[in-house]
Amino acid sequence: DAGVIQSPRHEVTEMGQEVTLRCKPISGHDYLFWYRQTMMRGLELLIYFNNNVPIDDSGMPEDRFSAKMPNASFSTLKIQPSEPRDSAVYFCASSLDSPNEKLFFGSGTQLSVL
Amino acid sequence: QKEVEQNSGPLSVPEGAIASLNCTYSDRVSQSFFWYRQYSGKSPELIMSIYSNGDKEDGRFTAQLNKASQYVSLLIRDSQPSDSATYLCAVSVLLMNSGGYQKVTFGTGTKLQVIP
Repeated sequence: DAGVIQSPRHEVTEMGQEVTLRCKPISGHDYLFWYRQTMMRGLELLIYFNNNVPIDDSGMPEDRFSAKMPNASFSTLKIQPSEPRDSAVYFCASSLDSPNEKLFFGSGTQLSVL
Repeated sequence: QKEVEQNSGPLSVPEGAIASLNCTYSDRVSQSFFWYRQYSGKSPELIMSIYSNGDKEDGRFTAQLNKASQYVSLLIRDSQPSDSATYLCAVSVLLMNSGGYQKVTFGTGTKLQVIP
């Protein structure tokens, strides 16, 4: 398996623009997670899905952030409008059949909002 | 109080020594505990998981869990320069009003430097 695939690897945008991050989980994994990592706050869970259904979105910072999982093989995290404080590395991860087991992380998207 | 707390380091140890990484957590009902390693510029990867009190050994790595003290640690024996990385402690936390769902919360990590 190719592992969790994220795109793009790097994104540079200007404040106010819409940003869409994409993720393809490992085939057969029931859980998908979106994390954000910064030096100050570490790795924070934004939202996670079980069988395409959002389970916990309490970590989504505000209404500017939204996430979707239209099918088992694809998820998006959208930021609209983006702000400089959104600059971070965004990781997508998946796990097989529980949120309490090994998480397989993608390579991450380095987002810079100017 | 943060859900998962770690000393940010850096923790410097000489090659061949034992590195001891520590983590405390706040939720008394947490049941699952993990150690992830993250090299600079890379994504986290799981190296150990532990679910019951006591020690769990895997090669040069030993995870130790003490639920009464809400404390989990990772020991790395015979430390190698290739062990230099940030080590993230992760703990499962029960989601309120979720019908039993849990989520995994990460500490901010401890940076380990193994000096040749």
